[in-house]
Amino acid sequence: DAGVTQSPTHLIKTRGQQVTLRCSPKSGHDTVSWYQQALGQGPQFIFQYYEEEERQRGNFPDRFSGHQFPNYSSELNVNALLLGDSALYLCASSFRGISGANVLTFGAGSRLTVL
Amino acid sequence: GQQVMQIPQYQHVQEGEDFTTYCNSSTTLSNIQWYKQRPGGHPVFLIQLVKSGEVKKQKRLTFQFGEAKKNSSLHITATQTTDVGTYFCAGGDTGKLIFGQGTTLQVKP
Repeated sequence: DAGVTQSPTHLIKTRGQQVTLRCSPKSGHDTVSWYQQALGQGPQFIFQYYEEEERQRGNFPDRFSGHQFPNYSSELNVNALLLGDSALYLCASSFRGISGANVLTFGAGSRLTVL
Repeated sequence: GQQVMQIPQYQHVQEGEDFTTYCNSSTTLSNIQWYKQRPGGHPVFLIQLVKSGEVKKQKRLTFQFGEAKKNSSLHITATQTTDVGTYFCAGGDTGKLIFGQGTTLQVKP
């Protein structure tokens, strides 16, 4: 039973470029959330996808966008990269269920460095 | 918006000593979750608390949810070097978990 897989694991971009990060959720999970974790900080919620729609969004600009595919996998896109976008980007999957309380399974993350 | 605060930010203990981290929310929580992140790793789910005043134990770890459902604590008895890492609490409703900034535990053998 595969866990959450993310790609790429590391990448380096320059300011103004665009990046796409990918995530495959854990088998049986239908919901994908994306988090940004700066060094020494807790994960910050970017947005969540369920049934191929963005359901919740954190305090991130429109430069951050995403997509969920019919197989539940997801992409995170960031346009016009800034130095401050350098961080570990974590994908977390969960099963929406009846209770609604999402217990998250995190992937290993994509480490983005913006130069 | 909702904020989740944790104290202390760092804690250094001698192996065998106890450790406690505290989590406080600016709003009442429907549930609280705890995660552990090892150095260079990713957050791993430890436990979820739902009921007011709930106490749960996992071996040497004791988790508590406050009566007002606005605070929580994690206590580790007799720390071991394997306990090293950052412990995060997270609260929120369906779809959006708000994480605290974490407490980083260092254990000296």
